[in-house]
Order: sequence, then structure tokens, then C-alpha cells
Amino acid sequence: DTAVSQTPKYLVTQMGNDKSIKCEQNLGHDTMYWYKQDSKKFLKIMFSYNNKELIINETVPNRFSPKSPDKAHLNLHINSLELGDSAVYFCASSHGTGDYYGYTFGSGTRLTVV
Amino acid sequence: GENVEQHPSTLSVQEGDSAVIKCTYSDSASNYFPWYKQELGKRPQLIIDIRSNVGEKKDQRIAVTLNKTAKHFSLHITETQPEDSAVYFCAKAGNMLTFGGGTRLMVKP
Repeated sequence: DTAVSQTPKYLVTQMGNDKSIKCEQNLGHDTMYWYKQDSKKFLKIMFSYNNKELIINETVPNRFSPKSPDKAHLNLHINSLELGDSAVYFCASSHGTGDYYGYTFGSGTRLTVV
Repeated sequence: GENVEQHPSTLSVQEGDSAVIKCTYSDSASNYFPWYKQELGKRPQLIIDIRSNVGEKKDQRIAVTLNKTAKHFSLHITETQPEDSAVYFCAKAGNMLTFGGGTRLMVKP
């Protein structure tokens, strides 16, 4: 059983389209995250949810909207995709806010905007 | 600030040599410092972590040291092997994990 699963693994789409990435964890964790990894490999936090509530919203364009229907799921919807959105997006989860236990990452979604 | 500085950005060693990666941070409230290994095309995976009540932790060929006064921590890999080749990230915990910029380690056979 995959602990943190993301779909799709690859996503190629045109500028201006709207797309969603889904994430599910079966670890019983109560906090989930979205990270963006750019071409230089920097891992940057985008959002964090604790028990379905948004607790971190870094400087991310409002074209990005996370949704957490329950604590095991955290989805990411992106409107009006731009070339600069091309990156690998990682979902992760942890007990609490990750200040004592590490994160478990999903396998990533490689988004390519053309 | 919340930044974590990581050095070097690339590191090339001969198989069997040791590798050392260093990180510094500015937020003195951090108490948890994990290290992640990311192989090409894969997810980052936790390899070792250290908490502020200890100064050093070892797990086989990997060790981490932490100096809270100086606000730096390091990853040491001994007897490197080709399968150690990957990107390594240090991180510090606050209300989330903040990652260093990564070190690409290449171990030449």
C-alpha cells in the first residue's frame, strides 16, 4: 500500500487551462502539505492543512487553490496555467505540523505547461 | 528569517571517500533537523534526523551533528558508494519544514 499517493504522475497541458492534482495518505497523519520543486531542485512550501483547516498559505498566486475534503486528502487546483507553473509538485504528510517527525512525500506530479 | 543555507551545492567524491554537507539556519526556535535523500526522478526520503537535545546521531555509514549555539548542522557519509549518488536536502522544523537548497552528491566508482 502506497503511504502517500498522488495522481496524475505526469501532466502536460496548454497555457490557460485549468488542472487538478490529487493526493491521498493512508498513514493516519493529520497534516498535509503541497511543495513545489523547480528545475533547480528547490523545495518550496505552498500550502499546509491540519485536520482540513488551512494553516500555511505562502506567497502563492490565487490561481492555486487547495482543497481538503477530509484529513486524508489534499487536492490542488490550478487555474489559468502559465509556463512558469511547470515544476514537480509534491504532496507530503506528517503527524502534527512536522516539528518533531519528518514528512512522508508522495511520488510527485511533473507538470509541464506548453 | 526562515532560510536554511546548504553547502556545497555539488559534491563529487571517489568511492570509499567521505562526504560532508553543511547547513546553517537563523531561527533559534528550531528543535528538529531532518535530512532527506532524493534520487533522480523520485521522491525525497527521510534518511536521518536529529533533535536539539542531542549533538550527534549515527546510523551505520551516516551521521549528523548539530551545534545549536552556532546554528549549524552537518551530514557525514563515510565509505561512500555509487548508490549514495543523489540530491541531499537538510531541513529545519518550525510550523513547517524549511529545506536547504540541496547538494548534488556524485560518487565516482
